[in-house]
Parts: sequence; structure tokens; C-alpha cells
Amino acid sequence: DAGVTQSPTHLIKTRGQHVTLRCSPISGHKSVSWYQQVLGQGPQFIFQYYEKEERGRGNFPDRFSARQFPNYSSELNVNALLLGDSALYLCASRYHGGPEAFFGQGTRLTVV
Amino acid sequence: GQQVMQIPQYQHVQEGEDFTTYCNSSTTLSNIQWYKQRPGGHPVFLIQLVKSGEVKKQKRLTFQFGEAKKNSSLHITATQTTDVGTYFCARTQGGSEKLVFGKGTKLTVNP
Repeated sequence: DAGVTQSPTHLIKTRGQHVTLRCSPISGHKSVSWYQQVLGQGPQFIFQYYEKEERGRGNFPDRFSARQFPNYSSELNVNALLLGDSALYLCASRYHGGPEAFFGQGTRLTVV
Repeated sequence: GQQVMQIPQYQHVQEGEDFTTYCNSSTTLSNIQWYKQRPGGHPVFLIQLVKSGEVKKQKRLTFQFGEAKKNSSLHITATQTTDVGTYFCARTQGGSEKLVFGKGTKLTVNP
């Protein structure tokens, strides 16, 4: 079975640009969460979606937005990129009610 | 949200030595999860502890949840080079699926 897949794996953007990151959850998982991990830190929660509805939002500016599609895949959008947005962006899916979060390999975003 | 504190931040051991990382919270935890992230990889779920005083073992790994449910530990017996990585504890928050991660303990093993 395929795990959580994210695309692209690496991305370089310029300050002020916009970026869209994509995530496909494990088949049967309807819950998708996004995390930002800067170097040397633990992942920080950005959003959680379940059945296309936002169920949680972390302490991130409005430049960050996300959505979930009918097939449960998800997009994370970041506008007006700042240098500080450079990080590994992780997507995790979960079987609703289950304890285990399954993480994708992440998208390494570099803002120059 | 309430943070979880992990110590130590780094740990370097000789292969065969034991390793322990600790996770502490100022508030009572409903549960605690542990994840391992290999260098260049993504977090991988190891275990969830729910009950006060719970102890669970996975081969050379022993996980404990404190009696007051405010601390947890992960102990690795006789480390191997395959144990290299960063170990994170994480709490859930507010009954949601949001995970609040500690800063992790980075383990390096000298062969």
C-alpha cells in the first residue's frame, strides 16, 4: 500500500512568491494535517482537515491556507513567502479516531 | 497550547550503551506519543501511552508514562547504529488530532 505522498519533494522560491504544496493521504484516511518543521525543531501544527472541513488551525499567519478535496487529498498554500518560511512541510494522515499519524516524506521549501 | 519539554537535546553514545530521553509537561497529559525521525527522513510513530504508570516494550525500547501523567521516558538498551535519529514526544491537544511536539532528542551512535 502507498503511504502518504507529498509533492514536490523540494522547492526553491523567491521572497514574495506564492507556493502550493500537495498531499495524498493513505487510502481510507479522511483526516489530513499539515506541519512545519524548521531545522533542529519538532514539527509545528498548521492545519487539520477532516471530511473537507477545517478542524484545527495552528498559530500561523493568514498567509497560510489549506483545503481538502473530495478524494481527501489536500493542498497547503502559502502567500507572500518570507525567508522564515523555509522549512520542511510535512503532511500526515490518520484513520479517524486512530492514534497514529502517518507522515509523508515532506516538501523541503527554501525561500531565497 | 501547553508545550512538552524534552531532555537532553543531544546525546552521543558508543554502540552498546544505553540511552534515555525524557519528556515533561507542566500539565496532566491525556496521552503521550513517541516518534522517531531518521536523518533526512520523516517522523515515524513508535507508540502511544495512555494509562498512568504505563510501561510498554518494543524489543530494546522501553516506554514509560509517569504516575501523574506529566512525564514520559524512552529507554533504549544496548544501542545500535540503526537507532540513530531524533526522538520526539508529542501530546495531543484539546481532544483534537493536533499534535504538540517537543524539540526532540538527537541520538548519535558511535560504532
